[in-house]
Amino acid sequence: AQSVTQPDIHITVSEGASLELRCNYSYGATPYLFWYVQSPGQGLQLLLKYFSGDTLVQGIKGFEAEFKRSQSSFNLRKPSVHWSDAAEYFCAVQNTGNQFYFGTGTSLTVIP
Amino acid sequence: KAGVTQTPRYLIKTRGQQVTLSCSPISGHRSVSWYQQTPGQGLQFLFEYFSETQRNKGNFPGRFSGRQFSNSRSEMNVSTLELGDSALYLCASSHPGQPYGYTFGSGTRLTVV
Repeated sequence: AQSVTQPDIHITVSEGASLELRCNYSYGATPYLFWYVQSPGQGLQLLLKYFSGDTLVQGIKGFEAEFKRSQSSFNLRKPSVHWSDAAEYFCAVQNTGNQFYFGTGTSLTVIP
Repeated sequence: KAGVTQTPRYLIKTRGQQVTLSCSPISGHRSVSWYQQTPGQGLQFLFEYFSETQRNKGNFPGRFSGRQFSNSRSEMNVSTLELGDSALYLCASSHPGQPYGYTFGSGTRLTVV
């Protein structure tokens, strides 16, 4: 069965520091992987997606993610965090039947 | 290109009442999915509609229902509201069969009192 695990419920980083949010998935075939961000009271915004090819994908707002098949991971990174990046981040996997499975989310706090 | 539109944004209902939420997908998107989001349970899949047919269904009681119209607009209905139904209800549209990911609406915040 497909599943997504985000091991970190909450992360705090200083503004300007680097960020890595972890995501592990369980899926039998090559997965379609996504990262979404949610600001309080808002819907989810797509940050980036991986289908195939280059395992390092670039997204919006300076985010990138790397797909590692051997580790079943799709970690999200940003070299320098801005205060406006404070939000909830969700990793998701899509199967060929157009079903999506979301992780439980990682809440990011940015301190000045 | 307009995004996914959900109405209303906020709703307060009394326990035992029923409620209908509306979702207009991105033009050309024929798949609409609904999610319930609560602090304790996270994002939980309700159902997916494609071409006016429910294609997938999550593990929710029969009080939760939905439908999709020929223009791909979707509604979801919750009958006999319970306090635990208070949540952010998110609608998302996508290209079925294409790994483009969901595009989400801003959600409807339902509060049951």
